[in-house]
Amino acid sequence: GQNIDQPTEMTATEGAIVQINCTYQTSGFNGLFWYQQHAGEAPTFLSYNVLDGLEEKGRFSSFLSRSKGYSYLLLKELQMKDSASYLCAYLDSNYQLIWGAGTKLIIKP
Amino acid sequence: GAVVSQHPSWVICKSGTSVKIECRSLDFQATTMFWYRQFPKQSLMLMATSNEGSKATYEQGVEKDKFLINHASLTLSTLTVTSAHPEDSSFYICSARAVETGDYQPQHFGDGTRLSIL
Repeated sequence: GQNIDQPTEMTATEGAIVQINCTYQTSGFNGLFWYQQHAGEAPTFLSYNVLDGLEEKGRFSSFLSRSKGYSYLLLKELQMKDSASYLCAYLDSNYQLIWGAGTKLIIKP
Repeated sequence: GAVVSQHPSWVICKSGTSVKIECRSLDFQATTMFWYRQFPKQSLMLMATSNEGSKATYEQGVEKDKFLINHASLTLSTLTVTSAHPEDSSFYICSARAVETGDYQPQHFGDGTRLSIL
């Protein structure tokens, strides 16, 4: 089957740190992507992990554990403009991208 | 780099009209383009995968005769919604994947087309 789960909504404070988790179950795996989508706009690419470990890119970091079927996106020094939906998606054995439903992140002052 | 242009951004038209949406990769070649539909507050739903020079692969439940896809070149794919009805009103987004190193390239998205059928 193709299962991918992430929280529906999260709230955090400006300047703080937030971690958005994503879990998946699949028999074939070729990497995991994180995208950011502002309301009414198309998604933009944030990160790609295919090996275990942490990938850091400025204020955003993404972690992957293949054995646990688990990834997270870590956002530091939150800014109001980070309010958006964050989508995780994995590449299955057929190189099809399987999307999560997205996590809506609300940043409060 | 990796810019995808989608046109038009907004379409408002009468029921029964056919609407054509273009998706272009501006600074890279894309063997594969994807068409998604997104309803308000819902996640992306893949409609079809388009490969240059061959027929598109449609997801289950998507009518290929209603949603015509043409991928005539490595930089252009089009989606035509034929005889559109109000229930076809949605946000349509295309994405493209670069050629060079196989399937690990991220998909880059166009800005989307908001379609409203009256």
